[in-house]
Amino acid sequence: GESVGLHLPTLSVQEGDNSIINCAYSNSASDYFIWYKQESGKGPQFIIDIRSNMDKRQGQRVTVLLNKTVKHLSLQIAATQPGDSAVYFCAETRNSGGYQKVTFGTGTKLQVIP
Amino acid sequence: DAGVTQSPTHLIKTRGQQVTLRCSPKSGHDTVSWYQQALGQGPQFIFQYYEEEERQRGNFPDRFSGHQFPNYSSELNVNALLLGDSALYLCASSLDRGPYNEQFFGPGTRLTVL
Repeated sequence: GESVGLHLPTLSVQEGDNSIINCAYSNSASDYFIWYKQESGKGPQFIIDIRSNMDKRQGQRVTVLLNKTVKHLSLQIAATQPGDSAVYFCAETRNSGGYQKVTFGTGTKLQVIP
Repeated sequence: DAGVTQSPTHLIKTRGQQVTLRCSPKSGHDTVSWYQQALGQGPQFIFQYYEEEERQRGNFPDRFSGHQFPNYSSELNVNALLLGDSALYLCASSLDRGPYNEQFFGPGTRLTVL
């Protein structure tokens, strides 16, 4: 079957350090990947995305890396701040009947230690 | 500009009852997707509505049904509630512009089935 999973369910990082959150996906047909941040009591919030024809994309303090050979996705957060504490989900998207089919992973909880 | 709104925020029902959850999409959006998020898990796709029609459906039984109104708002109905239906129900809206459409999530409705 298809699945999107994460290697680490909980990640604790010292404030100011860099964070790396990993994600493995199994569907080679996926062509678009998204990282979401979900804070307590809120819905997922878009962070950054990447298409399958790219291997790296940078945003403000965040970088997403895509390795299609091993079906691996990572989110790097530079200079982690207390406000980065949240659950992070990767999601894969593939075309299904002409529409996007989005599959979420189980999430990684990021705890930033002040 | 209001983002995606959902009502109610919390709901408690008993087994066998029926529930209706509501979603107003972000202004200008025409597509609404519903997700179920169990505690500690990633969101699972239920279905998507566009132009008042269900155009995609995840692996959910027929007890889960929905509707989209001409103003693009949407309802999720769940009949014959089971304990396992307890979850956070998320609504996401997007504008159908092509294969990659950013979804904006609402805060969710927390449903507890006793």
